[in-house]
Amino acid sequence: DSGVTQTPKHLITATGQRVTLRCSPRSGDLSVYWYQQSLDQGLQFLIQYYNGEERAKGNILERFSAQQFPDLHSELNLSSLELGDSALYFCASSVGGYADTQYFGPGTRLTVL
Amino acid sequence: GIQVEQSPPDLILQEGANSTLRCNFSDSVNNLQWFHQNPWGQLINLFYIPSGTKQNGRLSATTVATERYSLLYISSSQTTDSGVYFCAVTAGGTSYGKLTFGQGTILTVHP
Repeated sequence: DSGVTQTPKHLITATGQRVTLRCSPRSGDLSVYWYQQSLDQGLQFLIQYYNGEERAKGNILERFSAQQFPDLHSELNLSSLELGDSALYFCASSVGGYADTQYFGPGTRLTVL
Repeated sequence: GIQVEQSPPDLILQEGANSTLRCNFSDSVNNLQWFHQNPWGQLINLFYIPSGTKQNGRLSATTVATERYSLLYISSSQTTDSGVYFCAVTAGGTSYGKLTFGQGTILTVHP
């Protein structure tokens, strides 16, 4: 158990819908990261927050947004869902915001029908 | 951006065999981690090893940062070692914590 929690574990929804994925980092970690794992793209970095502020951005679609709240939990919002958004979404956390060890949560498996 | 290449792409072993997985990266790194993704999809941290050598039980890893590669050694493999092994790096400069992953090595250990 990494100490990072993600909810829900599974999510099945329809095209055009909006969903919210939630992540709670390990106690004491200030950074939260979101990654997407799909069969065709592999594991891709989406976005990083550090102590409530956006720190780095990857190939995150405009339909996707994220935030980190004062209690340091984070949410990833996916809207206007398409079939190609079906993937495993991981949250990770680390103590600092630079080159620290990242610990991954169990992931949320999103299926868009 | 930084490129990460892992080899071999697939590896099939009998229980008890040893193996070496390789990760090459195209630029200097501040962070290098090895992960094991088990059949249930969980990403398990194996090593944080931007340079040097570390050992944890039957697993060990070596990163030669000046030559831009890392090796993961698995000795006396067990069926529970099956899964996908990923190498991931954070490039130097302003990459902050962004991890760039390789495509992984799929390991299958037969009893």
